[in-house]
Amino acid sequence: DTEVTQTPKHLVMGMTNKKSLKCEQHMGHRAMYWYKQKAKKPPELMFVYSYEKLSINESVPSRFSPECPNSSLLNLHLHALQPEDSALYLCASSQDRGQGRGSPLHFGNGTRLTVT
Amino acid sequence: SQELEQSPQSLIVQEGKNLTINCTSSKTLYGLYWYKQKYGEGLIFLMMLQKGGEEKSHEKITAKLDEKKQQSSLHITASQPSHAGIYLCGADKNYGQNFVFGPGTRLSVLP
Repeated sequence: DTEVTQTPKHLVMGMTNKKSLKCEQHMGHRAMYWYKQKAKKPPELMFVYSYEKLSINESVPSRFSPECPNSSLLNLHLHALQPEDSALYLCASSQDRGQGRGSPLHFGNGTRLTVT
Repeated sequence: SQELEQSPQSLIVQEGKNLTINCTSSKTLYGLYWYKQKYGEGLIFLMMLQKGGEEKSHEKITAKLDEKKQQSSLHITASQPSHAGIYLCGADKNYGQNFVFGPGTRLSVLP
């Protein structure tokens, strides 16, 4: 059982739709992450929030918009996506890992997104 | 940038056999993490190594980090079908929140 919960598990959306992915953790972690994973590839970092502030944006297109309403929640708002954006979107959380402090990331089971 | 390589790319073993997966970095690793992923699911954290020469074990899985902190190995003893999946090493990209993964090793265990 994962302590990071992602909803929905599956999502099919058209290129003109607006949808949101949700992630929740109750481990008291102060860093939260969005990763994108294509088939047979490792996860690629998209965004990092640290103490509810966006700390890393890996040059992600603006059609992906992250939001961190509070320390337990992380959203990813989707708008005008392309078919090539179809992938598994993974959320993760960790204790604060800044300044070289190692702490593992804990992952949710992901949202399988299909853009038609 | 921190680049991680893994070998082998894929591995098929008979149940009961031992196996080793390697992860190599072009730069000194500040922290090395091993994860397992079942198809289409999230990543399960296995172990974290931070000190040169460090070795950790959990059940039948042992991970080591070399003294130079540029190479790690994951060893599975007496493999079982439940060990099948994709094993990924991950590392801190410099200091801070940026965390990257190796390409993964796909393990199949034949009963």
